[in-house]
Amino acid sequence: EAGVAQSPRYKIIEKRQSVAFWCNPISGHATLYWYQQILGQGPKLLIQFQNNGVVDDSQLPKDRFSAERLKGVDSTLKIQPAKLEDSAVYLCASSGQGNYEQYFGPGTRLTVT
Amino acid sequence: DQQVKQNSPSLSVQEGRISILNCDYTNSMFDYFLWYKKYPAEGPTFLISISSIKDKNEDGRFTVFLNKSAKHLSLHIVPSQPGDSAVYFCAVSGSARQLTFGSGTQLTVLP
Repeated sequence: EAGVAQSPRYKIIEKRQSVAFWCNPISGHATLYWYQQILGQGPKLLIQFQNNGVVDDSQLPKDRFSAERLKGVDSTLKIQPAKLEDSAVYLCASSGQGNYEQYFGPGTRLTVT
Repeated sequence: DQQVKQNSPSLSVQEGRISILNCDYTNSMFDYFLWYKKYPAEGPTFLISISSIKDKNEDGRFTVFLNKSAKHLSLHIVPSQPGDSAVYFCAVSGSARQLTFGSGTQLTVLP
């Protein structure tokens, strides 16, 4: 079974530029999550989707971050404009219906200069 | 306000000995608890979990213990192997099945 796929793996941009990350969850997983992991901390939830609907985006900085999950499969997370403090690893995870266990992709390491 | 705390940023143990990683949480409403392992440049990998109705769950060399009255979770690895060297995160979940993570403990198993 293929795992969670993410791209790109690494991205370097200047502040005020925009960037987008892509995630393809495990086949059949209805729930998809985006996390931000800052160096030295645990992952922090940004947004949770159930199929193509948003369950919780209370931790998403909506003035600059946006996310969508069209057709209930792939998802994209966008930052526009980026700030220095957005430098982090962005992780995508998915889980099966009714399951607590989440399965993570390899992440995208974003550096904002 | 940290809901989940891993107070030891790092731990070193000899190969073959027991590794004990600890985690404390604040909210008694959490009902599911998980441990993840993370290698550099990879995403966290699910390791083992336990429901709040149990106090112990075992999977091979890995055992998770839950003390609900103390709001304390621990992971025991016996025997420890060099390949176990990684960052270990505990995570807690409530009714929405969202995970709140601790800050992680770097485990180093010395050959």
